[in-house]
Amino acid sequence: QSVLTQPPSASGTPGQRVTISCSGSSSNIGSNTVNWYQQLPGTAPKLLIYSNNQRPSGVPDRFSGSKSGTSASLAISGLQSEDEADYYCAAWDDSLNGPVLFGGGTKLTVL
Amino acid sequence: QVQLQESGPGLVKPSETLSLTCTVSGGSISSYYWSWIRQPPGKGLEWIGYIYYSGSTNYNPSLKSRVTISVDTSKNQFSLKLSSVTAADTAVYYCARRGYYYDSSGVLHWYFDLWGRGTLVTVSS
Repeated sequence: QSVLTQPPSASGTPGQRVTISCSGSSSNIGSNTVNWYQQLPGTAPKLLIYSNNQRPSGVPDRFSGSKSGTSASLAISGLQSEDEADYYCAAWDDSLNGPVLFGGGTKLTVL
Repeated sequence: QVQLQESGPGLVKPSETLSLTCTVSGGSISSYYWSWIRQPPGKGLEWIGYIYYSGSTNYNPSLKSRVTISVDTSKNQFSLKLSSVTAADTAVYYCARRGYYYDSSGVLHWYFDLWGRGTLVTVSS
């Protein structure tokens, strides 16, 4: 079981806004930045959001990240079929669990 | 552009040592941290460890007793060795670059910004 907790699944219809949560603790999300990765079927993960809310070049602004306390969220607006993928949060951890933690992943289905 | 490519045996026998190499092309291995991350079939990502180009390392506590990561800057490569493998070590193994910076408040910002395509390693007799 992952130290960073994500819902195993999420879903939405095209055009909808969906959010995926990532819950941690004071030793990880509470005191460090959060990254999000998108993994399309059969491919390597891709950096989607870094430093809580920053998008790398080339990532559409439909994707946004936020952090509050010991939780973080990834929001996808204007959902598209090509957004169907697994999404992982990651954070640095200052305890004996770390230093690098991944969430268990959320499988997003576009209905 | 910088690319990463994993290489090594796709089949390893139980109790033996898994060995993989990641070749960095299109750029220098210097000034970055380099990681290994794995993903068992149908499961999530697990960070294995990272190495700085200078040779300093940090490993996942749950794997630390079995893992060794090394770097060869002359070949622009870094490598993973995982000893005493079992079926639970069957996974797709990715190499990745860890970018980082410190902001004006001294907070560390880091991210895996570049990934290899991954290589499946099966542990079986």
